[in-house]
Amino acid sequence: NAGVTQTPKFRVLKTGQSMTLLCAQDMNHEYMYWYRQDPGMGLRLIHYSVGEGTTAKGEVPDGYNVSRLKKQNFLLGLESAAPSQTSVYFCASSYRGILNEQFFGPGTRLTVL
Amino acid sequence: GIQVEQSPPDLILQEGANSTLRCNFSDSVNNLQWFHQNPWGQLINLFYIPSGTKQNGRLSATTVATERYSLLYISSSQTTDSGVYFCAVGTGTASKLTFGTGTRLQVTL
Repeated sequence: NAGVTQTPKFRVLKTGQSMTLLCAQDMNHEYMYWYRQDPGMGLRLIHYSVGEGTTAKGEVPDGYNVSRLKKQNFLLGLESAAPSQTSVYFCASSYRGILNEQFFGPGTRLTVL
Repeated sequence: GIQVEQSPPDLILQEGANSTLRCNFSDSVNNLQWFHQNPWGQLINLFYIPSGTKQNGRLSATTVATERYSLLYISSSQTTDSGVYFCAVGTGTASKLTFGTGTRLQVTL
């Protein structure tokens, strides 16, 4: 099992460009999450999904959109990138219910110039 | 929202020393996890411990949910233990995690 994978690993964008980050998990988890980590800080939740076809806002959702068309994939979109979105993005997934430990991907380092 | 405080913020140890990291949280939780973020930025799951005590080799953790704190013990520290240790607590629907600001650990020879 690959666990949680993220594509791409690194990306540099210019202000105003758009891009999509892909998260995939092969553990048949119902829940998926997108977090961002800024220097010297812990992770903050952007958006999450409790199942295929569902999405919800987290703590810092502005400037991002998400989609969960398939259970195993969770996409994070930036429609018009801004320098404030320079960050490391982590995806995570977990089962629903009591065994709700979250497992994280390796991260995507995004720089917006 | 829930507040998560970790202490100490920074810690320097000599190889072989023991340490205790603390995580305080302000409300009831349905998930608590400890992570190690290595110098390459990778997040490594250490413990899933919403309550009770667990041990894994030189590391152990205890969560006292009724008193809203968790402790991570590192014994006989090694240079490979260096990095940032995060506590994260889960609340509400989908057990969304709120992270503390971490403890930065440096283990020297």
